[in-house]
Amino acid sequence: AQSVTQLDSQVPVFEEAPVELRCNYSSSVSVYLFWYVQYPNQGLQLLLKYLSGSTLVESINGFEAEFNKSQTSFHLRKPSVHISDTAEYFCAVRAGNNDMRFGAGTRLTVKP
Amino acid sequence: EAGVAQSPRYKIIEKRQSVAFWCNPISGHATLYWYQQILGQGPKLLIQFQNNGVVDDSQLPKDRFSAERLKGVDSTLKIQPAKLEDSAVYLCASSPGRSHNSPLHFGNGTRLTVT
Repeated sequence: AQSVTQLDSQVPVFEEAPVELRCNYSSSVSVYLFWYVQYPNQGLQLLLKYLSGSTLVESINGFEAEFNKSQTSFHLRKPSVHISDTAEYFCAVRAGNNDMRFGAGTRLTVKP
Repeated sequence: EAGVAQSPRYKIIEKRQSVAFWCNPISGHATLYWYQQILGQGPKLLIQFQNNGVVDDSQLPKDRFSAERLKGVDSTLKIQPAKLEDSAVYLCASSPGRSHNSPLHFGNGTRLTVT
């Protein structure tokens, strides 16, 4: 079965700084990869997804992630963060006939 | 479109009591999921329905947890009796089908505290 590892449980950054949230996965078959964001007291919202094609995918609010098959990674990046980006971010993977597996999450805190 | 609706938002019960959560998925979504999210962890799948049939309940603690989706629309998840370790947020999600490239749409969850 597939699994997901988010390498950082907490990432504090200052406003307008760049950020990278790391995600590695393991699977013996082809995968679909997702990033979800969770704001306090809310459910998870899809941020972006990789299904096939271009390995670089983007969200509407400036985040991007790159699928790297050789390194089995799907890191999330943003060149300049805002206070409103403060949230919990979850990487998720789906492979074969298995259910979607989530990482433990990375808490991004953007400080003024 | 209306999102996934869950109720109640919060519930506090004592151990050994029973509790039930309700979920109404996005209209037309055939697949419904219940996830358990323990503090500091990612969501873990409890059960997956396709219409009114169970697709995967391999991680559901069946001695105390049960779920149903009788008419293939809304669903209830029940815990009886509750244990302290059941304290978590219970998330309901839905998707249009079982395709593995379909993202999940989540509700806001029910936060359960067992004392």
